[in-house]
Amino acid sequence: SQTIHQWPATLVQPVGSPLSLECTVEGTSNPNLYWYRQAAGRGLQLLFYSVGIGQISSEVPQNLSASRPQDRQFILSSKKLLLSDSGFYLCAWSGRVGINSPLHFGNGTRLTVT
Amino acid sequence: SQELEQSPQSLIVQEGKNLTINCTSSKTLYGLYWYKQKYGEGLIFLMMLQKGGEEKSHEKITAKLDEKKQQSSLHITASQPSHAGIYLCGAPSGNTGKLIFGQGTTLQVKP
Repeated sequence: SQTIHQWPATLVQPVGSPLSLECTVEGTSNPNLYWYRQAAGRGLQLLFYSVGIGQISSEVPQNLSASRPQDRQFILSSKKLLLSDSGFYLCAWSGRVGINSPLHFGNGTRLTVT
Repeated sequence: SQELEQSPQSLIVQEGKNLTINCTSSKTLYGLYWYKQKYGEGLIFLMMLQKGGEEKSHEKITAKLDEKKQQSSLHITASQPSHAGIYLCGAPSGNTGKLIFGQGTTLQVKP
């Protein structure tokens, strides 16, 4: 069966420090991968998605970047964190493109920028 | 761009009571997904609807998509404390599999 791992679960970082969040998927190949952010009291905002190795699409301009160095690995990064980067970050995967392929989410990373 | 609006934003019910959560889209829905989230955790996929008038059930949770495919409802029968959490509806946006989500409905069930 397919599983998705996301780490760390929680992170407290000072303003200006770098960030690296990692997500890996097991049990499937060539998944679509997604990074979402959920701010307190707000819905999920899609940050990045990837349909293949090295293929990254950004949904909103921001202080973050994403990379997909391997088929089942998705990394969210920042060179210098801002206070506004605080939030709950969720990685997700889907098996294939189409409306009958739900997203499956990891357990999330709670990031607090101080 | 398409937007999903959920109502109510929050809901407190007594255990054993029925409840309904609505999700309204600004455009025709070509698929509608319901998820449940416990605070601080990831989203759990509940069910997916595709066709107008479609209805699906899982245990005590039933979801429907209206004939016009612009509104979906999630109905919980005889609510239990285990039903507590945040319910989110999501819809496909574009052809890359990405979903947009409603703001979520927070459900509390009082024993």
